[in-house]
Amino acid sequence: RKEVEQDPGPFNVPEGATVAFNCTYSNSASQSFFWYRQDCRKEPKLLMSVYSSGNEDGRFTAQLNRASQYISLLIRDSKLSDSATYLCAVNPGGKLIFGQGTTLQVKP
Amino acid sequence: DTGVSQDPRHKITKRGQNVTFRCDPISEHNRLYWYRQTLGQGPEFLTYFQNEAQLEKSRLLSDRFSAERPKGSFSTLEIQRTEQGDSAMYLCASSDRDRGLYEQYFGPGTRLTVT
Repeated sequence: RKEVEQDPGPFNVPEGATVAFNCTYSNSASQSFFWYRQDCRKEPKLLMSVYSSGNEDGRFTAQLNRASQYISLLIRDSKLSDSATYLCAVNPGGKLIFGQGTTLQVKP
Repeated sequence: DTGVSQDPRHKITKRGQNVTFRCDPISEHNRLYWYRQTLGQGPEFLTYFQNEAQLEKSRLLSDRFSAERPKGSFSTLEIQRTEQGDSAMYLCASSDRDRGLYEQYFGPGTRLTVT
């Protein structure tokens, strides 16, 4: 079993839709969690950090469920520019462990 | 705002050659990380430094790979006797753990192609 798992998708949604991604992790000692956005052939860019139960930034909401060991990312009112790969990352101490990434395509 | 920089951005080399990549972290970030990413996968951890000390190395980091951060500022990653399986994007990241921050910020990466 992978340490961090994500559904690779792709998720194809119309503009304006709400979409949610989940990410599960196996190391219960993990203390910090992140969502990164990665455009094709570019580096990952930090989207959100999740330290406690959740975090909200505009149209983006991240939630953490320690009991079930998953984090989620909710995107409201999707824009064409949200099309990208979303990477979940878990910090069990020092390094980041990434999931495979979930691809989102927002259609007009 | 000066982010993480990496050089070169692209490298094409023949199998068996040695290559070296450089990473300059965000100024005053004391931790520096190296990751490798192949198509369709998330980045995989290779190694990281706190100042000049190498604190952890992944099992992925075979004896052909070596990384240094001699003065606690920039870092180099060397791959000796490259193999086709080494073709990947090599990403560097840094974080400011001196201030208790866990966020890692990535550079643009070095794309390696081994022919």
